[in-house]
Formats: sequence, structure tokens, C-alpha cells
Amino acid sequence: QKEVEQDPGPLSVPEGAIVSLNCTYSNSAFQYFMWYRQYSRKGPELLMYTYSSGNKEDGRFTAQVDKSSKYISLFIRDSQPSDSATYLCAMSRPSGYSTLTFGKGTMLLVSP
Amino acid sequence: DVKVTQSSRYLVKRTGEKVFLECVQDMDHENMFWYRQDPGLGLRLIYFSYDVKMKEKGDIPEGYSVSREKKERFSLILESASTNQTSMYLCASSLGGRGAGSPDTQYFGPGTRLTVL
Repeated sequence: QKEVEQDPGPLSVPEGAIVSLNCTYSNSAFQYFMWYRQYSRKGPELLMYTYSSGNKEDGRFTAQVDKSSKYISLFIRDSQPSDSATYLCAMSRPSGYSTLTFGKGTMLLVSP
Repeated sequence: DVKVTQSSRYLVKRTGEKVFLECVQDMDHENMFWYRQDPGLGLRLIYFSYDVKMKEKGDIPEGYSVSREKKERFSLILESASTNQTSMYLCASSLGGRGAGSPDTQYFGPGTRLTVL
């Protein structure tokens, strides 16, 4: 079993839809959970992160962590064509080197 | 704003050539990373460095070496390029250490798309 699993998509939705992107993981030592967004031909950029369990909201984006199920989600409300990108989940442990374990990324396409 | 720059956006090399990929960050970050990104395989860590002249192997170090002589610069070296090293190479840096409740955010460069013929 891979440490982090993420459906590669593509996920196609119409503009205005609510999008749900998900990752599962196997290592219970992970404490930081991040979502990176990567536009075509660009490097990934951090969208938002959560520490341990719970929800975090930032504008149209909500990150959710369920540590009991080892499951994290990113919700996008009122999706826009500009949200079309690949979304990568990433996780890290609270100590040691600052390395991240990435999911493979989900490609999201939002059509006008 | 953190800026991570990579020496080339696109590079074409021949099998057996020695290839240097350079990465520079301007935020005095302690940590620097090299990844490769391939369709279906995602981001894979090749090497990282947590200090000048220090390096650690990542998940796929075979066929690569690195050099960090100055804090702001981290080089990836392909000693003898092979076709299976055709990929997108991404450099990242992070501050190092972390405050309570916040991760050590990695900032990425734009990537170098390397083609080995």
C-alpha cells in the first residue's frame, strides 16, 4: 500500500459546481496536511494546510482532515474555470527533516 | 515573495552527456529539494539538502548527484544522462524548522523539462 493515495482524475465539472478532492494515507505519524495547486507548466504552490484533525476554511476552499479514517479532503465551492489545475495533497511528520510525502495529484477541469 | 528560479525551462541533451540543473532561492532558506515529476507517478524526491555541503538521499537518488556549495544554490547533476531520465525536474526550498501548528512550507520553482535523446 502506498503511503498516500490520490485519484488522478481528470475530474470535469461545470462552473459553479462544488468540487471534492480526496486523499487517503496509511502513516498515522503524519500531522501536517497540505494542498498544493499546480497550473499547467508551472511549479506547485501551497494552497492551504491543516494541522492534525479538523476543518479549515479560506474563501471558497475548505480543507478537512479525518485522522481516524486517514482521509483528507479539499472542497471548492462555486468552482471557476481559473480553478482548473492539478491539486496535490502532501503530508509531513511533526519532527525530523522537512520532507513531504505527495499524492500523485488530481487534475480538475472546470468548464464555463 | 519567495522566489525559486531554475536555470532552464526546457533542455534537450543526448544520452551519455553530463547534465547540470541549477536552482537558486533568494529567501535565505535552509532546506532545498530536487524532485522529478512524471505522469502517473507524481512528484518523487531525488535529493535534499538541509545545510550547505550537506545532502540526503530521497526516494530515487540513483543516477543523480547534487551539490550545495552556497546556501542559495542547489545543483542537480546527471553524470551520464539516459532516456529514462527524461522528465520534469522541480526544485523547492523551505525555511527549515517550524512553529507550533505550522508546516515547513516548500516553495517550488517553475520546473525544467529535460528531454534526453
